[in-house]
Order: sequence, then structure tokens, then C-alpha cells
Amino acid sequence: AQTVTQSQPEMSVQEAETVTLSCTYDTSESDYYLFWYKQPPSRQMILVIRQEAYKQQNATENRFSVNFQKAAKSFSLKISDSQLGDAAMYFCALMNRDDKIIFGKGTRLHILP
Amino acid sequence: EAQVTQNPRYLITVTGKKLTVTCSQNMNHEYMSWYRQDPGLGLRQIYYSMNVEVTDKGDVPEGYKVSRKEKRNFPLILESPSPNQTSLYFCASSLGGPRTDTQYFGPGTRLTVL
Repeated sequence: AQTVTQSQPEMSVQEAETVTLSCTYDTSESDYYLFWYKQPPSRQMILVIRQEAYKQQNATENRFSVNFQKAAKSFSLKISDSQLGDAAMYFCALMNRDDKIIFGKGTRLHILP
Repeated sequence: EAQVTQNPRYLITVTGKKLTVTCSQNMNHEYMSWYRQDPGLGLRQIYYSMNVEVTDKGDVPEGYKVSRKEKRNFPLILESPSPNQTSLYFCASSLGGPRTDTQYFGPGTRLTVL
């Protein structure tokens, strides 16, 4: 069975600093996809970043980047130059080829001014 | 404006009273999906659909039904709601599936079953 684990229920970071959210997963598939989603207080879910497992290169979207360690089944999200608007719940997710998606329980990120 | 809409946004009902939550998208997306979000549990997928007349079970399909008769609509049906279905529900869609295309979420439906 596929699982996604986010071990940090809450984290805080000073504005303009860098923070890393951790995510580990388990799957028996070799072809899969990983995602980070953001849910701000508005509750609107927003895709932050997507990573294909067959790609060695870590995905990057502006201030957001991932550290994808396939052998360790780890997929952490790094947010650089944290901004107040980054305060949100962040969900890590895994999708196999069957198009079924599994989410982690989330990490609530607080940005301290 | 490209969007996913859900109705109603809030609903309070009683055990056993059938209800339908509608979901509609205007982006001609192939893939649609329903999720429920509960505190401490994250999001869990209920059902998804890759195309018209094609639906598949997600992680927690028990107690729910869906249909995909038209590409734009993907209603979620609770035939006999129970209190453990009290939750925040999200509908989402993407062009060809989240593996390759961004998944867009609706605003959510807060359901309370008494």
C-alpha cells in the first residue's frame, strides 16, 4: 500500500528565512509522481510543485524547490526567502500510474514577522 | 473565468436524508476527482474520473456515489448520509490528469450530518 508521511504537524520560520518541510513516502511502483500542495486560510488548494520520479533533477518553481531522494523515498520542500503569504497548510502527495492520489496529513507553516 | 464550482458551499442535514453535491468545471478537463478533508487526516480521495462514463474508487469510496454523464459535471451523491461523513469536501479537475497537468480545486463544501 502507498503511504505518505509528513512528520512535522507544525513549523515556524522567520520572514525572509529558509524553511524545509519534510515528506517521506512508500510505494512499490517505479513510475510515480510527487506533489506539494498549499492550502492558505482561504482553504483554496493550490499546486506548488510537481516531480516525476524518473527525473533525477529536482523540480523548482521560483522560491520553492524540492530535494527528491528516490532511494530514501524522501521528498522535502524548501521555501526560500519566506514571505507572510507563504503561511498555509502544506500537503505532500503521491500518485502512481493508476491515477489514484494519496495525501499526507499536512504541515502547518507559520511565518513570523 | 476558468474555475471549478461546487454547490452548495455549506450544508447541514440529518442522518439518512439523501443529498447531492454538485461539481462543475468550465475548462474542458478530462480528469475530475472528489476529496474529503478532515482535521489530522489531510485529504483523502473518494472517487475520480478520467473521462465521461469512467469512474474509479479512491481511498475512501464507501458511502458515496458519483456519476460522469457529461465532461463538465461530476456530482457526489450521499444516498444515506451518516455523521461520520461530516467533513469538508473538495472537487478538483485537471486537463489530462494530475500526473501531467495542474489540478484545480473548487472552493470546498462544508457538510455537517446530524
